[in-house]
Amino acid sequence: EPEVTQTPSHQVTQMGQEVILRCVPISNHLYFYWYRQILGQKVEFLVSFYNNEISEKSEIFDDQFSVERPDGSNFTLKIRSTKLEDSAMYFCASSGLPYEQYFGPGTRLTVT
Amino acid sequence: QKEVEQDPGPLSVPEGAIVSLNCTYSNSAFQYFMWYRQYSRKGPELLMYTYSSGNKEDGRFTAQVDKSSKYISLFIRDSQPSDSATYLCAMSTIKRTYKYIFGTGTRLKVLA
Repeated sequence: EPEVTQTPSHQVTQMGQEVILRCVPISNHLYFYWYRQILGQKVEFLVSFYNNEISEKSEIFDDQFSVERPDGSNFTLKIRSTKLEDSAMYFCASSGLPYEQYFGPGTRLTVT
Repeated sequence: QKEVEQDPGPLSVPEGAIVSLNCTYSNSAFQYFMWYRQYSRKGPELLMYTYSSGNKEDGRFTAQVDKSSKYISLFIRDSQPSDSATYLCAMSTIKRTYKYIFGTGTRLKVLA
């Protein structure tokens, strides 16, 4: 069964460093999303991406964040200058039909 | 009032019991209602979705939406220890891409 994959599974970085989180969505999907989940809290929407552009972003998704689909298979989230409060689990999701989102296993980001 | 509210539990039931999980919401524009299952430190796994009001059944799972009361439910029949997980409700309005608003999740423990 096709699935969303994410790398790395765990990333440790120092405050102020740039990180890139990578996702390989399900191959025939057209809609891509990033969500995050701070430990013990609910899953929160960050950004949606369709037709090579951002469709919607939350207030969390400020100028420090960017997304890219550099080729036909990868979807990346970049955080330019990480802060302690960026520590969270980051989930990539993809969908063929926009409402039927399938989530990856997540990347745990730890900012020290 | 929070946009989506969900009792965090934990909810403990004996094996074979019928489980009822619920969410309430405040935004009457929500049209898609999703249920995800999340095991500890894993990504959310899509269980079921419902459009607008009504019931939907899939095996041991039944999802119900009552838009007049702004209340959704997930029923699990003949619950198994393997059903022990956190159950997340998520909702979306209809747009070009769908931003899910999640509940906090209900932790379920099915005792053998």
